[in-house]
Amino acid sequence: DIQMTQSPSTLSASVGDRVSITCRASQNTRSWLAWYQVKPGKAPKLLISKASDLEGGVPSRFSGSGFGTEFTLTISSLQPDDFATYYCQQYHYYPWTFGQGTTVEIK
Amino acid sequence: EVQLVESGGGLAQPGGSLRLSCAASGFTFSEHEMNWVRQSPGQGLEWLSNISISGTNALYADSVEGRFTISRDNAKNSLFLHMNSLKPEDTAIYYCAGGHGYFHMWGQGTLVSVSS
Repeated sequence: DIQMTQSPSTLSASVGDRVSITCRASQNTRSWLAWYQVKPGKAPKLLISKASDLEGGVPSRFSGSGFGTEFTLTISSLQPDDFATYYCQQYHYYPWTFGQGTTVEIK
Repeated sequence: EVQLVESGGGLAQPGGSLRLSCAASGFTFSEHEMNWVRQSPGQGLEWLSNISISGTNALYADSVEGRFTISRDNAKNSLFLHMNSLKPEDTAIYYCAGGHGYFHMWGQGTLVSVSS
């Protein structure tokens, strides 16, 4: 199975900060990479697919980049609604696999 | 508005069975592949199973292959997960999610607890 490793596991930041989360794949997944936002008790939300394609309705402060084995999710100016856990997921190989998650918490 | 609503979770004994359901509305269910994804306590997300649009093809993660069965009823806009031979490590929130590869719509999940 493809291992997806996110860093950091936890990120403490303030409103207005620029934050980045890295996701590394154990094998080349080309651009077949998605990012999700998960909050307790709520449905997970797709933010980005194909490494950099922003999902409709997702604020433009979210962006994705990368190819192959290294990917980044960036939030350009952190907003109160953005405090959550973020997961990357590869869908180039079965089984589709997720990273372990990065929790963005209030500093 | 797209809605996926899971139900059927609860407490089960090790070795027992449960059947989860997911009711879909707000979109053409029969045009989308569907999946089950779970999140164990304090753990990350794990994709479990995918079913084709027609329901004739299914894929499973090794962790549930042979124990879980995914199915769908397009006439009733419903997705199911039949879970047998449950283990304590199956304790998790179970989500239904739409899409192939990546998941563009999700339910809020139903909690399954496996304990004696």
